[in-house]
Amino acid sequence: EDKVVQSPLSLVVHEGDTVTLNCSYEVTNFRSLLWYKQEKKAPTFLFMLTSSGIEKKSGRLSSILDKKELSSILNITATQTGDSAIYLCAVASNTGKLIFGQGTTLQVKP
Amino acid sequence: DGGITQSPKYLFRKEGQNVTLSCEQNLNHDAMYWYRQDPGQGLRLIYYSQIVNDFQKGDIAEGYSVSREKKESFPLTVTSAQKNPTAFYLCASSDDGQGAGGYTFGSGTRLTVV
Repeated sequence: EDKVVQSPLSLVVHEGDTVTLNCSYEVTNFRSLLWYKQEKKAPTFLFMLTSSGIEKKSGRLSSILDKKELSSILNITATQTGDSAIYLCAVASNTGKLIFGQGTTLQVKP
Repeated sequence: DGGITQSPKYLFRKEGQNVTLSCEQNLNHDAMYWYRQDPGQGLRLIYYSQIVNDFQKGDIAEGYSVSREKKESFPLTVTSAQKNPTAFYLCASSDDGQGAGGYTFGSGTRLTVV
C-alpha cells in the first residue's frame, strides 16, 4: 500500500528559529514529491521535486529530495509568525494518484 | 479566471441523508480528485478520475460515490453509509492526468452532521 509519512506531527518554535520538516514515502511508480502550505482552506503550492539532490529554494524556504532514502526535507530559516500553518507533503505516482502525508502543524511564537 | 469552484462552502447533513458536494473546473484538466481532511490532519484520498466516464477508488472510498460525466465536473455524494462524514472536503484537478505537478485546489466544503 502506498504511504507518505511526515514528522514531526506538530512543532512549536520561536520567531527566528530554523525548522526542518521530514517526509518519507513508499509509493509505487514515484513521479514527483510536492510540498504545500495550508493555512485555512486550500493548500498553497510550495515546491515540486523530481530529481534527487537538487535543492529548490524560495526565500527562506528550501527543500531537497533523496530518492535513495525515499525521503525529503523542508527547511524554513528565520521563522516568522506568518509561517504558522500545516505543511503537507504529497507524492504523485504515474498511476495518477496524489497521496498526502498526515501533515506537520507548525506554530511560530513571537 | 480559470480555477476550481466547490459548492457549497458549508453544508449541514442530518443523520441518514445523502448529500452531494459540487466541484467544477474550467481549466480543461483531465484529472480530478476528492480528498477528506479531519482537524489537524493531512488529506486522505477518496476518489480520483483521470478521464471522463472513468474513476478509481482512493484509500477511503467506503460510504462515498462519484460520477464523471463531463470533463469539468466531478461531484461527490456522501451517502448514509458513511458513518462519520463530518470533515473538510477538498477537490483538486491536475493538468496531465499522470499525477505530476500542476495541481489546483478548490476552496473546500465543510460538512457537518447535525
